[in-house]
Amino acid sequence: GDQVEQSPSALSLHEGTGSALRCNFTTTMRAVQWFQQNSRGSLINLFYLASGTKENGRLKSTFNSKESYSTLHIRDAQLEDSGTYFCAAADSNYQLIWGSGTKLIIKP
Amino acid sequence: GPKVLQIPSHQIIDMGQMVTLNCDPVSNHLYFYWYKQILGQQMEFLVNFYNGKVMEKSKLFKDQFSVERPDGSYFTLKIQPTALEDSAVYFCASSPTDSGNTLYFGEGSRLIVV
Repeated sequence: GDQVEQSPSALSLHEGTGSALRCNFTTTMRAVQWFQQNSRGSLINLFYLASGTKENGRLKSTFNSKESYSTLHIRDAQLEDSGTYFCAAADSNYQLIWGSGTKLIIKP
Repeated sequence: GPKVLQIPSHQIIDMGQMVTLNCDPVSNHLYFYWYKQILGQQMEFLVNFYNGKVMEKSKLFKDQFSVERPDGSYFTLKIQPTALEDSAVYFCASSPTDSGNTLYFGEGSRLIVV
C-alpha cells in the first residue's frame, strides 16, 4: 500500500477561514517536506521538518515521526493560497515518497 | 532563496524524436534529481545523481532515458526516442547532501509528445 496517505484530496475554504491537511505514514520517515503547487505548476517549498513544529506567516507544520504523521495548518486563508499541496516524506534511505496531493480552493 | 533553473519551460516534440531537458542546479549542491508529473497526478521519482553517477532510479526511468552533468554544466535528462506517454512536466531538484536536506525544485519543463 501507499507509504504516504494524504488527506483530504480536495478542500474548499472561504477567505479568512482555516483548516489542516494531514499526511499519515505507514513506515518510519526521517523528515517531511511540504510544497504548494500553484496555478502555473510551480512547486514552492513551504516547510522542511525533521521533527517538531515550524511556523511561517499563516502556515504552520508539525512532524511527529513517532506517531507517523505530519500536518499543515492554514489560517486566515487568502485567494493566493489556492493550489495543490503535497507532502513528501524522506524514508530510511532519504528517498522522497510523495503524497497524492490536496487540491485547495479558496473562495471569496 | 536558492534557485534551480530549467530550460526549456515548454517543448512540443514529435514522437520518436530526441529531447534534452536542461537543469541548472543551485551552485553548491551535489545531489540532483529528476521527477515526472503527469497532469493532475502526484510527483513520481525518476532518478538521482551524484558525483557523475546515477545513484538510484525508479521503474519509470526507462532505457530511453539518460542523465548526465558534463563538467559541472547543466544536469540534463535526455529521452531518446520519445513516446506519447512521456508527455508530462519534468521537475529537476537539487540538494546539498543526500541525507535529510531540503530539495529545491525548478519550475518544471512541460513536455508534450505528439
